[in-house]
Amino acid sequence: QVQLVESGGGVIQPGRSLRLSCAASGFSFGSYAMHWVRQAPGKGLAWVSVISSRGSDMFYADAVKGRFTVSRDNSKNTLYLQITGLTGDDTAIYYCAKGQSSLLAGPGDFWGQGTVVTVSS
Amino acid sequence: EVVLTQSPGTLSLSPGERATLACRASQSVSSTYFAWYQQKPGQAPRLLIYGASNRASGIPDRFSGSGSGTDFTLTISRLEAEDSAVYYCHQYGYSPFTFGPGTKVEIK
Repeated sequence: QVQLVESGGGVIQPGRSLRLSCAASGFSFGSYAMHWVRQAPGKGLAWVSVISSRGSDMFYADAVKGRFTVSRDNSKNTLYLQITGLTGDDTAIYYCAKGQSSLLAGPGDFWGQGTVVTVSS
Repeated sequence: EVVLTQSPGTLSLSPGERATLACRASQSVSSTYFAWYQQKPGQAPRLLIYGASNRASGIPDRFSGSGSGTDFTLTISRLEAEDSAVYYCHQYGYSPFTFGPGTKVEIK
């Protein structure tokens, strides 16, 4: 069965950097686009980024462009999100989600349980 | 950026009633690139509808989606207690992709 397990979250000081990971299993990881979505405490969903199946194309939300970098290692079935210059606004649960196809333009059809990032001094 | 507006903010209905949730986009979105999600407290979101009207795998047929252009609707035909959740609309036709603010469905 499809499994997505996020890791790398924690309590991080403002201004520091962080790399989140999403380990995938149960499907052909290299054949699907992958998304990151975040949810601030008590708030709604905010789409963050999507990367194509081969990792050659990606889109970002305006709020994170320039500070967030999405990447993937298809040999390790793992998705990454590098975050620099953390601020309090980045405090959220970060979810990875499997795309419906190799194409960027598709919904996340299966989600992990998320990893919590708390930015605090 | 395509802004999605959902109404109502909260819907309180009894089991067996019909729920109608609306989502309006700030510009026309192809129905091919429109989805609905359900999120229960403490859980990850679950895809309900994609392509505006296609039920995702394992989704009961009491959930249906419709709409085109700027106006989309999620209908839950016969509410059950387990449908208590927040429902989000989502467009993935224009980057940046966006979500609506959500509609909370409460079961009386």
